[in-house]
Amino acid sequence: GAGVSQSPSNKVTEKGKDVELRCDPISGHTALYWYRQSLGQGLEFLIYFQGNSAPDKSGLPSDRFSAERTGGSVSTLTIQRTQQEDSAVYLCASSSGVRGYGYTFGSGTRLTVV
Amino acid sequence: GENVGLHLPTLSVQEGDNSIINCAYSNSASDYFIWYKQESGKGPQFIIDIRSNMDKRQGQRVTVLLNKTVKHLSLQIAATQPGDSAVYFCAETYTGNQFYFGTGTSLTVIP
Repeated sequence: GAGVSQSPSNKVTEKGKDVELRCDPISGHTALYWYRQSLGQGLEFLIYFQGNSAPDKSGLPSDRFSAERTGGSVSTLTIQRTQQEDSAVYLCASSSGVRGYGYTFGSGTRLTVV
Repeated sequence: GENVGLHLPTLSVQEGDNSIINCAYSNSASDYFIWYKQESGKGPQFIIDIRSNMDKRQGQRVTVLLNKTVKHLSLQIAATQPGDSAVYFCAETYTGNQFYFGTGTSLTVIP
């Protein structure tokens, strides 16, 4: 696609429920990233996929968070047993993976846990 | 995490004035830097980048300055317009694949 697409744009869920957030990167981009942005805060790295390599999961805050990327394209970030502190905007970005080029971000999914 | 920080969390400028947003980074190995602009309800958008072999790069109304000696990055916006109101993030990388972002500076342009 022309840009990075994320869905849903907004999600309200009850505490304890599981949620899935979807990211559709730019076609041909081999690298995909998930970031979390809490209100008024910077970008917190969560996870990074590059081609067929094992993902860099070093930023995942707990084992309730997981992500997968199917077929080297679409990615799903799953949060199990959501907590109120999970409320944030979840941003996905993709890049060509070529050194020296930056990311293209999606518009994010605003997650609210009530 | 990386210490990519901004000196001022908020900045207000009069329309038509020039804006300067500063950023300090801690990793001397970082060799590529980007400034992003994030408007309310949107994801960050690329503004301008600079590689470590340069100390200045100019775009349309924007200039990025890099001082590797003191590990400082700045974004200058000329003739600031209301549409420039946003949060601005600097980002650095030394891996080429993963970027580290600063907290952000909120720029408000006063008409």
